Amino acid sequence: GENVEQHPSTLSVQEGDSAVIKCTYSDSASNYFPWYKQELGKGPQLIIDIRSNVGEKKDQRIAVTLNKTAKHFSLHITETQPEDSAVYFCAASGPQGGKLIFGQGTELSVKP
Amino acid sequence: GAVVSQHPSRVICKSGTSVKIECRSLDFQATTMFWYRQFPKQSLMLMATSNEGSKATYEQGVEKDKFLINHASLTLSTLTVTSAHPEDSSFYICSARDTGTHQETQYFGPGTRLLVL
Repeated sequence: GENVEQHPSTLSVQEGDSAVIKCTYSDSASNYFPWYKQELGKGPQLIIDIRSNVGEKKDQRIAVTLNKTAKHFSLHITETQPEDSAVYFCAASGPQGGKLIFGQGTELSVKP
Repeated sequence: GAVVSQHPSRVICKSGTSVKIECRSLDFQATTMFWYRQFPKQSLMLMATSNEGSKATYEQGVEKDKFLINHASLTLSTLTVTSAHPEDSSFYICSARDTGTHQETQYFGPGTRLLVL
C-alpha cells in the first residue's frame, strides 16, 4: 500500500524567513496531494492541494510543488509569521478518491 | 463553506461504558465520511470509511465490534466506542467529502477528545 514519508519532523525559523517541508510517496498511482495545518487541540485544516496533472500551485504565501517522476512533493511557506506555527501534514491518495495516507507531520515554529 | 462539526468536543467516561461521537457536514452532503484517531505527537491514523446507507469499511487492526459506525444520512455519521477502556483515550477526528463536487478533498471536523478513566 501507499506510504508517505515527511521531513523534517521539526522546523524552527525566524519570522520573515521561508519554510520548506518535503514529502515522498511510494505509490505511483497516487494523484492527489493535500497539505493540512493542525493547531494544538484542533482538527486539520486544508491549506493547499495539488493534483498530479499540475507541477506547481501557489496561494499567496503558500506554494506546493510536485515531482511525479521522483515521487516528491513539497510545501513552501514564504514570509513566515508567528501564526504559521503549527503542525503540518502532507497526504496522498490514489485514483477514484481513495483514502488519504498521511505523513508523520512537521512541527513548525516561527520565532518573532 | 465545507464545514464539518463534531459533538461532543471532549468527553470523559468510566471504563466499560460506551461513548457516541457525532460528525456532521453542515453545508454539504457527504456520501463518504472518514474516522481517524490521533495519539499525542503522532499522525492521523485512518480507522474506517463510512458510507451512507451501507456498512463501514474498517482498516486492518480496527475492531468493528468495538468501534461501531453508522452513516444513516448524507450529513451525519456516528462513531460509538463500546466498552471503552483507558487505552481508547485519544483524539478522534472525522472528515467528509463533498458529494456534490465529486472531488476527493476531505474536510475535517474539530475533533473529539476522549478520556477513559
